[in-house]
Amino acid sequence: KQEVTQIPAALSVPEGENLVLNCSFTDSAIYNLQWFRQDPGKGLTSLLLIQSSQREQTSGRLNASLDKSSGRSTLYIAASQPGDSATYLCARLMYSGGGADGLTFGKGTHLIIQP
Amino acid sequence: DTEVTQTPKHLVMGMTNKKSLKCEQHMGHRAMYWYKQKAKKPPELMFVYSYEKLSINESVPSRFSPECPNSSLLNLHLHALQPEDSALYLCASSQDLRVAGQETQYFGPGTRLLVL
Repeated sequence: KQEVTQIPAALSVPEGENLVLNCSFTDSAIYNLQWFRQDPGKGLTSLLLIQSSQREQTSGRLNASLDKSSGRSTLYIAASQPGDSATYLCARLMYSGGGADGLTFGKGTHLIIQP
Repeated sequence: DTEVTQTPKHLVMGMTNKKSLKCEQHMGHRAMYWYKQKAKKPPELMFVYSYEKLSINESVPSRFSPECPNSSLLNLHLHALQPEDSALYLCASSQDLRVAGQETQYFGPGTRLLVL
């Protein structure tokens, strides 16, 4: 089973700051990397998916990058807002990646944006 | 529409009860998933259905019984659960394009289960 590690485990910053969340994985034979957001007691909201052939994806103030050779992905959040406060999870496919395949998640980064 | 719905939102059951969790999607997805999430832990995969057939079972105890009656509906039947089974149960779906790495999984809001 693949390992996914997220650093830092928790982060608290003032509103308006740009910040970077880190995700690392043990096997460079990765098919994609997906970033999610989870609000307390809620389900997961998909933010970005980066396929192995891509280096980055952008959605609004979010930018995710993927470096297979180093086994790392980063999620960049620009101009952070209090509404960005949540737990951010990265996940990779568990097995072959050929269609329906489960996800292995990191433990997440708990982000607090101070007003 | 990227919505996955789950019912009930909350469920309390005794160890001798039988209950079912329901998940529904109308996005035309052909893969559906059950994950279990304990407090302050990441989700962990339980089952995967592909084209209404069980394709992955992550060695889940038999007191959890999945069912996929059609491509839009996924059930999880619960029987003789233990207090340690208390968790948030998340359902997800994806297109199942059979092409590696192109799919986004969409999650429902979850059912919070408490076993007494």
